[in-house]
Amino acid sequence: QQQVKQSPQSLIVQKGGISIINCAYENTAFDYFPWYQQFPGKGPALLIAIRPDVSEKKEGRFTISFNKSAKQFSLHIMDSQPGDSATYFCAASTDMRFGAGTRLTVKP
Amino acid sequence: DVKVTQSSRYLVKRTGEKVFLECVQDMDHENMFWYRQDPGLGLRLIYFSYDVKMKEKGDIPEGYSVSREKKERFSLILESASTNQTSMYLCASGAQGRDQPQHFGDGTRLSIL
Repeated sequence: QQQVKQSPQSLIVQKGGISIINCAYENTAFDYFPWYQQFPGKGPALLIAIRPDVSEKKEGRFTISFNKSAKQFSLHIMDSQPGDSATYFCAASTDMRFGAGTRLTVKP
Repeated sequence: DVKVTQSSRYLVKRTGEKVFLECVQDMDHENMFWYRQDPGLGLRLIYFSYDVKMKEKGDIPEGYSVSREKKERFSLILESASTNQTSMYLCASGAQGRDQPQHFGDGTRLSIL
């Protein structure tokens, strides 16, 4: 039973477009929401993270939007590039439960 | 840079064997984790440890055990390997604190024949 539900399972975006990945959680005790990026043959690596006391965090082309009342958060990748093609995982503490992952493909 | 090293990238074992997966981190992190990664299921937490000799069950501990005798090393043990344990296994470490990121190794792809 997934404690963090992630969608979509896969996503294809044209170069320069916006990629949006969504996650929802149930446990209101979760208080740290990171996103990880995984390339083939590698372990996941932290991309960006947010705490629930803010509604948005931006780092370069990557933005997390957080809706505490809806218990949802999302990753937006602006100006998507072929190098962004990877699998993305959302996660939630306290003991770091992960979503099922989204395979993003950015077409040139 | 944090380095999490898993002892094998690929491993092939037979049903019924006892299998050891080793993980070492070099950043003096208190927390260490074992996950398995399967297509469509994401990363599922098997066991984690907040300190030496401490362990906590994750979401899918059945058929697995762990050992943490030293702070830098966290071992995952398949007591009697079965074919449904064929998977990618990922180890991670993190500093103490609820908002600390995890640092992952590159995984061990385990096949049980």
